[in-house]
Parts: sequence; C-alpha cells; structure tokens
Amino acid sequence: AAGVIQSPRHLIKEKRETATLKCYPIPRHDTVYWYQQGPGQDPQFLISFYEKMQSDKGSIPDRFSAQQFSDYHSELNMSSLELGDSALYFCASSLGVRAGDGYTFGSGTRLTVV
Amino acid sequence: AQSVAQPEDQVNVAEGNPLTVKCTYSVSGNPYLFWYVQYPNRGLQFLLKYITGDNLVKGSYGFEAEFNKSQTSFHLKKPSALVSDSALYFCAVRDVDSSYKLIFGSGTRLLVRP
Repeated sequence: AAGVIQSPRHLIKEKRETATLKCYPIPRHDTVYWYQQGPGQDPQFLISFYEKMQSDKGSIPDRFSAQQFSDYHSELNMSSLELGDSALYFCASSLGVRAGDGYTFGSGTRLTVV
Repeated sequence: AQSVAQPEDQVNVAEGNPLTVKCTYSVSGNPYLFWYVQYPNRGLQFLLKYITGDNLVKGSYGFEAEFNKSQTSFHLKKPSALVSDSALYFCAVRDVDSSYKLIFGSGTRLLVRP
C-alpha cells in the first residue's frame, strides 16, 4: 500500500541557508500535518492543511512557511536556518480534518544545520 | 486543552516478562487515543488506537492497550516482551479543539534485556 513519502530523507544545511522539505500524502488524503522532533524530544506540531488551506498552526517559527498544493502534497520552507532547527521533521496525512483515526506518518526528513 | 502524560521516561523489563507502558489523558469529550512506536532514526509506526467500543484494544506486534475511563488511562501492554520491542513509545490524543491533530506525550523508552 502507498505510504506517506517525504523527501529528502536527509538534509545538511549551513546556518542562514534555506531548506525545503516535501511531503506526499497517501492518495486521496486531503489533510497534512507537520511535526518537528528535536533530539530526545516528543514530536511538536508545527502546522496543518486541509483542502489546501491552513487548518491549524502550532509552534512554527516565523522563518518557516508551508503550503499545500493542488495535488495535496505539502512543502515546508525554512529560511535563515539556525542550529536549533536540527531535528527530524515528520508529516502525517489523513482523510478529512475530522478523520480521527487515520493518521499515517512518513519516515521523516532529518535536517542537520551546521 | 487535550493532553497526554507518560510518567515514565524509561521502562526496563526482562525478555519474556510482561510489560506495561503508562499513559494518562486529559480531554474534553470522548478521547481518541493512540500508541506509536519509534525505532532509532526511524519514523513513527502506528501500534493501536482507541476510538470507541471495547476497552481492550489489540494492535500490532502483540501489543494491546486498556482504556480506563475512570482512571483516564490508556496503558500499553504486552504479555511477553521481546528484545526487539526495545524502542521509544509515544502515547497520543486527538486534539478536538481545532484541526484534530495528534498531541503526543513525552515518550517512554522501553528497554528489554535478554
């Protein structure tokens, strides 16, 4: 079965650079959630989209932005990268905002800022 | 606000013994509760969920969880632990206040010794 695809799997950037992370949801899933997991931390919610509109916003820095495209894939854009942005970034997809029981996570993108 | 708490940072158990990883929740309304497992440098893998119905939920890899409304708990259990069960376990609750995102606990590291 198709899963949530995230690219790239690993990314190394220097401070002050920009990065773009991509998330391709399961086919027919219209909702995407982004999470950030720092070393030894639990996943922290960043932002979500439903039907290409932002549906919720968590602890996402102003340096970050995201969007969901017409094919429902989503991109997380990160600018002016800081060392503290080094983390594992997950996305999850579901069918409908109220799906409740159908979250599927991607394998994550490990971002290292040096 | 919805939240889950995992009171133990680490649980140690001998292979073949039963294991329990604790989770308590705080929600308004009916809870949607989840358990995920994370192996090193890997994504979050779904184990099981409670939406409604039978309080004993069976999931992947022989895990089960018991929903206890009076104690607001959703402890993860397995009758006989395997060394390969050693991983990081997250309890999560669906946030009903906004986008129905998952809110994670702080995680419990399970160490199964041979």
